[in-house]
Formats: sequence, structure tokens, C-alpha cells
Amino acid sequence: GNSVTQMEGPVTLSEEAFLTINCTYTATGYPSLFWYVQYPGEGLQLLLKATKADDKGSNKGFEATYRKETTSFHLEKGSVQVSDSAVYFCALRETGANSKLTFGKGITLSVRP
Amino acid sequence: GAVVSQHPSRVICKSGTSVKIECRSLDFQATTMFWYRQFPKQSLMLMATSNEGSKATYEQGVEKDKFLINHASLTLSTLTVTSAHPEDSSFYICSARDSWWGQGVLYNEQFFGPGTRLTVL
Repeated sequence: GNSVTQMEGPVTLSEEAFLTINCTYTATGYPSLFWYVQYPGEGLQLLLKATKADDKGSNKGFEATYRKETTSFHLEKGSVQVSDSAVYFCALRETGANSKLTFGKGITLSVRP
Repeated sequence: GAVVSQHPSRVICKSGTSVKIECRSLDFQATTMFWYRQFPKQSLMLMATSNEGSKATYEQGVEKDKFLINHASLTLSTLTVTSAHPEDSSFYICSARDSWWGQGVLYNEQFFGPGTRLTVL
């Protein structure tokens, strides 16, 4: 079956530090890949996505590249801000109209001023 | 992006009572909605898939008589936690799928509600 593995957390960084959050996946087909962000007390928001190999998703300074050869979709940001403190979930969805999202466990990011 | 609302955002109830949570897609119609449960510091667990006008499809291990789902219209799905107990206390999140055609390709995307914090005393 499908699965998403995220690096263990939590992660604590100082403001303006470089961020990498690892995500690898296992899928039977050619899934779309997503990063969702959950701010404290809120639901999930789509941060970025990529639908095919070598695609790069980007939003709000975050980037992730769909790497089929390493089955990875690592999230990066060059300079984090305190407002980036949140929980980040990597997810995949197989193609097909009735496919479901499969989430990783999520990782908490805390950014210190 | 599209907006999904949930009501209430927080609810506290006594053990043995039932609680209804509403999920609405505000600016699009959703034939499919999803209900998730999230435990503290854990990922989202899909409970069931709700299809408008038909019975919900429950994931393995989820009691359908405990968690009643109704998707009566294209913009509203409800989750009723029946005879709630303290172990049902959790954060419940709904999601609605928006689908559209673009250049002969069917696209779809899930939008998430803000969640409902249920506390059963």
C-alpha cells in the first residue's frame, strides 16, 4: 500500500536559518505529492504540490521537488521566519477520481526569534 | 482557494450525549467530503468518505454506528458522535473535494476545514 515517511521531529531553528524537512514515499503508481501546513489550532492548508516527476512546487518561499528516483519530496526554505512555526505534513495521492490522501505523521517546526 | 467551514469550532459535552459537527463547502459544490480524526501530535486518520446522496464509506476500525455521517446536500456533510465518551475526545477535521475540468483533464483538490475540538467529560 501507499505510505509517507517523514523525518522525526520536532525541529527548532533560529530565525533566518535554512530549513529542510525530509519526506519519502512508497506508492504503487505515479502519485501527486503535497505539503500541508497546520498552524496552531487550525485545520490544514495546502502549502505546495507537485503532480509529476521533476516538478517543483513552491509557495511562500518554500520549495519541494518531486524526485522519482529517490521517491522523495523534501521541503526546503532558505530563511525561516517565526511565523513559519507550525506542523508540516507530507502527503501523497494516487491518480484516479476516487483516490484518497495518505499523510505522513507530521513534524512540528518551531522558529525562535 | 476554496473555503470549507466547520461548526462548532469547539464543543464540550457530557459522557453519553451525542454531538453533531457540520462541514460546509462555502463557494463550491462537493460530491465527496472526508472526515478525519487527529490525536495530539499525530497525523490525520481518515475516518470515512462521505458521498452526497449515498452512504458513507468507513475506514477499517471505525464504528459506523458510533460516528454517523450524513451528506444530504452538495455543500453540507455532518458527523454525529453518538453516546460520546472521554476517549472520543479529539480534533475532528473535515475536507471537501472540489473537481473541475481543464483542457479535457479532470482536476480535483481537497480543501480542509479548520477543525472541531471535541472534549467529552
